Amino acid sequence: DAGVTQSPTHLIKTRGQQVTLRCSPKSGHDTVSWYQQALGQGPQFIFQYYEEEERQRGNFPDRFSGHQFPNYSSELNVNALLLGDSALYLCASSLPATDTQYFGPGTRLTVL
Amino acid sequence: DQQVKQNSPSLSVQEGRISILNCDYTNSMFDYFLWYKKYPAEGPTFLISISSIKDKNEDGRFTVFLNKSAKHLSLHIVPSQPGDSAVYFCAAQFGNEKLTFGTGTRLTIIP
Repeated sequence: DAGVTQSPTHLIKTRGQQVTLRCSPKSGHDTVSWYQQALGQGPQFIFQYYEEEERQRGNFPDRFSGHQFPNYSSELNVNALLLGDSALYLCASSLPATDTQYFGPGTRLTVL
Repeated sequence: DQQVKQNSPSLSVQEGRISILNCDYTNSMFDYFLWYKKYPAEGPTFLISISSIKDKNEDGRFTVFLNKSAKHLSLHIVPSQPGDSAVYFCAAQFGNEKLTFGTGTRLTIIP
């Protein structure tokens, strides 16, 4: 049973560009959450998707948007990239009506 | 506003001894607490969790204690092994919603 997978592993972009990160949840998981982890910090919640809708959102600007597909996979889009967007982006999935979130390996985004 | 705090950035423990990692929280609405372990270049790996209706949960070498009145939880690892060297994150949750993480504690097990 594959765990949470994310692609790409690494990504380098320049300021002002746009990026799309992808996540496939564990089998049977229907809820996907995205987190940003800056160096030396704990992961910060971006948003959560359930039944293809954004259910909850953290304190991130509208430049951060997402989508969930009918197969529960998800995308995170970031527009107008800033240097401060450089971070590890983590996707987590969870089973219906349970609390434990399981994380993927992350995508390391570097903005130059 | 840091709602989940891990005040020790690092901890070194001799192999075979007990490792105790601490975490404090401020939001009394949190009802579920989790510990994750993270190696460099990997995502956090779920270790153990505890519901607010309990004060202890044990899984093999790992035990989590919750003191609701003090808003404090701790993770005990015994005996500590070299493979336990990693960054440990405490996280808290209200319902089936977002996780709020601490800043992590780097645990080093000394052989």
